[in-house]
Amino acid sequence: EPEVTQTPSHQVTQMGQEVILRCVPISNHLYFYWYRQILGQKVEFLVSFYNNEISEKSEIFDDQFSVERPDGSNFTLKIRSTKLEDSAMYFCASRGQGGNEQFFGPGTRLTVL
Amino acid sequence: QKEVEQDPGPLSVPEGAIVSLNCTYSNSAFQYFMWYRQYSRKGPELLMYTYSSGNKEDGRFTAQVDKSSKYISLFIRDSQPSDSATYLCAMTSTGTASKLTFGTGTRLQVTL
Repeated sequence: EPEVTQTPSHQVTQMGQEVILRCVPISNHLYFYWYRQILGQKVEFLVSFYNNEISEKSEIFDDQFSVERPDGSNFTLKIRSTKLEDSAMYFCASRGQGGNEQFFGPGTRLTVL
Repeated sequence: QKEVEQDPGPLSVPEGAIVSLNCTYSNSAFQYFMWYRQYSRKGPELLMYTYSSGNKEDGRFTAQVDKSSKYISLFIRDSQPSDSATYLCAMTSTGTASKLTFGTGTRLQVTL
């Protein structure tokens, strides 16, 4: 069964450093998303991406964040200068053309020290 | 008022019990409803997807939507210890790439 994959599973970084989180969405999906979940809190939307551009972004997704689909399979989230409060689980999700169901990856746990 | 309200639990039931999980929402634009199961430090796993008022059944799971009351439910029959997880409701409106809005999740513990 096709699934969304994410790497790395855990990333530890120093405050101020740049991180890139990687996702491989389900192969025939066209809509891509990033969400985050701070420990003990709800899953929050960050950004959606369709047709090689951002469709919508939340107020969390400020100038420190960017997304890219560098090739036909990968979808990345970059945080330019990490802050302590960026520590969270980051989930990638994808959706096909015909429905509204979003399928999530296993997540990347980001720890900013 | 929060867009999506969900009782965080924890909810503890004996094995074999029927579990009822619920969410209410305030945004009338929400048209599509999902239930996800999330094990600790894992990604949300899609369980059920519905888009009309009424019931949808899949094995031991039944999703119920009442758009007039802005209320959705997930029922789990014959609950098993492996059902112990956090259950998240999520919903979205129509639109090209509509984001999901999640509830806080209800933590369920099924005991032997």
